[in-house]
Amino acid sequence: NAGVTQTPKFQVLKTGQSMTLQCAQDMNHNSMYWYRQDPGMGLRLIYYSASEGTTDKGEVPNGYNVSRLNKREFSLRLESAAPSQTSVYFCASGGASGNTIYFGEGSWLTVV
Amino acid sequence: ELKVEQNPLFLSMQEGKNYTIYCNYSTTSDRLYWYRQDPGKSLESLFVLLSNGAVKQEGRLMASLDTKARLSTLHITAAVHDLSATYFCAVVRMNRDDKIIFGKGTRLHILP
Repeated sequence: NAGVTQTPKFQVLKTGQSMTLQCAQDMNHNSMYWYRQDPGMGLRLIYYSASEGTTDKGEVPNGYNVSRLNKREFSLRLESAAPSQTSVYFCASGGASGNTIYFGEGSWLTVV
Repeated sequence: ELKVEQNPLFLSMQEGKNYTIYCNYSTTSDRLYWYRQDPGKSLESLFVLLSNGAVKQEGRLMASLDTKARLSTLHITAAVHDLSATYFCAVVRMNRDDKIIFGKGTRLHILP
């Protein structure tokens, strides 16, 4: 049972480059999330998707775009990476209300 | 706007002692999560609290929820070194979409 799978695990980008973080879940969950984690800041919500075909902004959406490709997959795109986007990114998914939210292993992104 | 505050943000304590971490939130909620994170790792689900007065216990950890006070607590009984980690609470807005907001986390260091 893979749960929530994120790729890549590590990435170094140059300022201005673009990239997409991929996330897939195999638990048939409706809701999916992207968070970033910075020291002392906890987890901040970037975007989320309450169901297939819908996406909504979270706390820190600027500089990011998302796609809910289907029920399983939710990708996060950085169109023009900036050093301020250096962070650890976590994807998460959750099913019916009251169930736990499961997290991927994280993606360590460095923008130089 | 939903805001989640945890305190303390850092706690150093002796083994065998008891302590409580507090999680306050700003709007009505019907769902609250507690997670544990070890350094360099993903988040591990500890508890899901769904109703006023809910109490859940697992080993030396006990979580409770008071929706009227908009407060959850995570109580540690007779702490052991293995409980050293960062603990996060996360809150969902009541009767709204599945937007989940995290507190900044409490970094717990238990001294042998």
